[in-house]
Amino acid sequence: DSGVTQTPKHLITATGQRVTLRCSPRSGDLSVYWYQQSLDQGLQFLIQYYNGEERAKGNILERFSAQQFPDLHSELNLSSLELGDSALYFCASSVVARGSYNEQFFGPGTRLTVL
Amino acid sequence: AQSVAQPEDQVNVAEGNPLTVKCTYSVSGNPYLFWYVQYPNRGLQFLLKYITGDNLVKGSYGFEAEFNKSQTSFHLKKPSALVSDSALYFCAVRDPGGFQKLVFGTGTRLLVSP
Repeated sequence: DSGVTQTPKHLITATGQRVTLRCSPRSGDLSVYWYQQSLDQGLQFLIQYYNGEERAKGNILERFSAQQFPDLHSELNLSSLELGDSALYFCASSVVARGSYNEQFFGPGTRLTVL
Repeated sequence: AQSVAQPEDQVNVAEGNPLTVKCTYSVSGNPYLFWYVQYPNRGLQFLLKYITGDNLVKGSYGFEAEFNKSQTSFHLKKPSALVSDSALYFCAVRDPGGFQKLVFGTGTRLLVSP
């Protein structure tokens, strides 16, 4: 168990809908990362937050957004869902400061199926 | 841009034999390299990392990795494979521009037969 929790484990929804994925980082970790894993795109970095602030953006669609709250949990919001958004979404956390090399700890993921 | 390549989609090895999962990297500056493993229906688990120092890095579950700067490689190895090592293995490189964003390879499926 990595100490990173994600809810829900599975999510089935329809095209056009909006969903929210939730992540709680390991105790003490200030940085949260979101990744998408799909068969055709592999494992892709979406976005990173550090202590409530957005720090880096990857291949995240404009329909997707995220935030990190004062208690450090994070939510990834996916809207106007399309079939191609079906994927496994991972959250990871790390203790991070610029110049450090800490590994990231991954949650179990949320499997999103868009029908 | 930082990138890693995993040239093999799948590696097959018999239990008890040594295993190697290959990874090559392309980075500007010093490479910070990681290996993760993903078991079915599970998240990624950290195995080991190379930051600096010894070229042979030891990690979890008996795995080790050899950093080779001249060949820009970071191959994952284990002297004696177990059936339970069967999983999906990812090589990753840290992006130096941000706060530790990881760039992953495409993954290599390791299948260890009894």
